[in-house]
Amino acid sequence: DADVTQTPRNRITKTGKRIMLECSQTKGHDRMYWYRQDPGLGLRLIYYSFDVKDINKGEISDGYSVSRQAQAKFSLSLESAIPNQTALYFCATSDLKGTGADGELFFGEGSRLTVL
Amino acid sequence: AQSVTQLDSQVPVFEEAPVELRCNYSSSVSVYLFWYVQYPNQGLQLLLKYLSGSTLVESINGFEAEFNKSQTSFHLRKPSVHISDTAEYFCAVRRMDSSYKLIFGSGTRLLVRP
Repeated sequence: DADVTQTPRNRITKTGKRIMLECSQTKGHDRMYWYRQDPGLGLRLIYYSFDVKDINKGEISDGYSVSRQAQAKFSLSLESAIPNQTALYFCATSDLKGTGADGELFFGEGSRLTVL
Repeated sequence: AQSVTQLDSQVPVFEEAPVELRCNYSSSVSVYLFWYVQYPNQGLQLLLKYLSGSTLVESINGFEAEFNKSQTSFHLRKPSVHISDTAEYFCAVRRMDSSYKLIFGSGTRLLVRP
């Protein structure tokens, strides 16, 4: 089983619908992140969380919200999806201790979201 | 603010040929440098990193990158590529005084042809 699991892997929805993308991890890491990947733009940070009570906006948080339900779970919500939120979304984790201290992120396999 | 530039969006190359993927960065402070690789339908995974010490760093699968501070570059090279190296490669930087925020480049798709 993957260390960082994202569900769903693919989702097609309509404009205005509420969507939740879920992420769970078995790595025991404190830090979790949501990134968005668009062709030609690389990855951009949406939200990040250093622990259950610490959630922070990234560079493109407008239109998104997150919930850190437990150390191992971090979900991303689109309250009212719009077409320009069509993208590939990645959850990632890192650990300040040990090997993660140098910034290594561990990624899930991605959730492809299409908003019609 | 930091920024990362990967000028080549796609690099086609024949199998067993050498390849160089270019990465330049801009930062007013010292940074750590990373290359991540994304194989088809997978998430990103760390390929190699420069934190300090020797400016030439190597990965376990034959890639190497050299940190050049004067040219603010961290180009990725491999002397002989394989079909299995076909993937998208992302350069990333992180401020030495920031423990979380990675800034990614736009990515370079390496396409290895037989």
